[in-house]
Amino acid sequence: SQQGEEDPQALSIQEGENATMNCSYKTSINNLQWYRQNSGRGLVHLILIRSNEREKHSGRLRVTLDTSKKSSSLLITASRAADTASYFCATAQGGGGNKLTFGTGTQLKVEL
Amino acid sequence: DADVTQTPRNRITKTGKRIMLECSQTKGHDRMYWYRQDPGLGLRLIYYSFDVKDINKGEISDGYSVSRQAQAKFSLSLESAIPNQTALYFCATSDFDSAGGRGYTFGSGTRLTVV
Repeated sequence: SQQGEEDPQALSIQEGENATMNCSYKTSINNLQWYRQNSGRGLVHLILIRSNEREKHSGRLRVTLDTSKKSSSLLITASRAADTASYFCATAQGGGGNKLTFGTGTQLKVEL
Repeated sequence: DADVTQTPRNRITKTGKRIMLECSQTKGHDRMYWYRQDPGLGLRLIYYSFDVKDINKGEISDGYSVSRQAQAKFSLSLESAIPNQTALYFCATSDFDSAGGRGYTFGSGTRLTVV
């Protein structure tokens, strides 16, 4: 069963706008990670946030984590056409040796 | 060369055939994983290995087997392929603790079609 579910499933915005994707999960976690996938290619790790952290930044990316609500959000600021991709959240549960369980993904399209 | 290499990139096979997907890595990671991706279902874990002598089933291991030939090599076999195993397959690696901040490193995937 899927641990994480992303919302929305698809998002279309104009270049320069901000994109926000949300992830909800079911069980307690050690950390939550976000990955990007360009069409049909391998996933690329973007950012990791630990369960004791609330917010993290990396370049144009901002990730928040609310463990009380079991949810996370990924914000991409000043989006570019090159940001067009699918974005997945993945959670690591400590009991499983920190192996990852992935959500179903958000397809982001950034139009010129 | 890519850090994680999967072969073949694409494969079409017939129902009932045995097929092996191969994965090799130059990251020096102990941990390796096989995932399957289907549209709308995200990635699902098939098998994983935390070191050469360790093999574990994931959530969808039925119909699959694996072999960890060396630290750098982890292969996935479909003993008797069936059409619902048509999917995109990914190999990934990680170091001891993915919480260290580096996450998983993925291969480029193998697109398998069973006809």
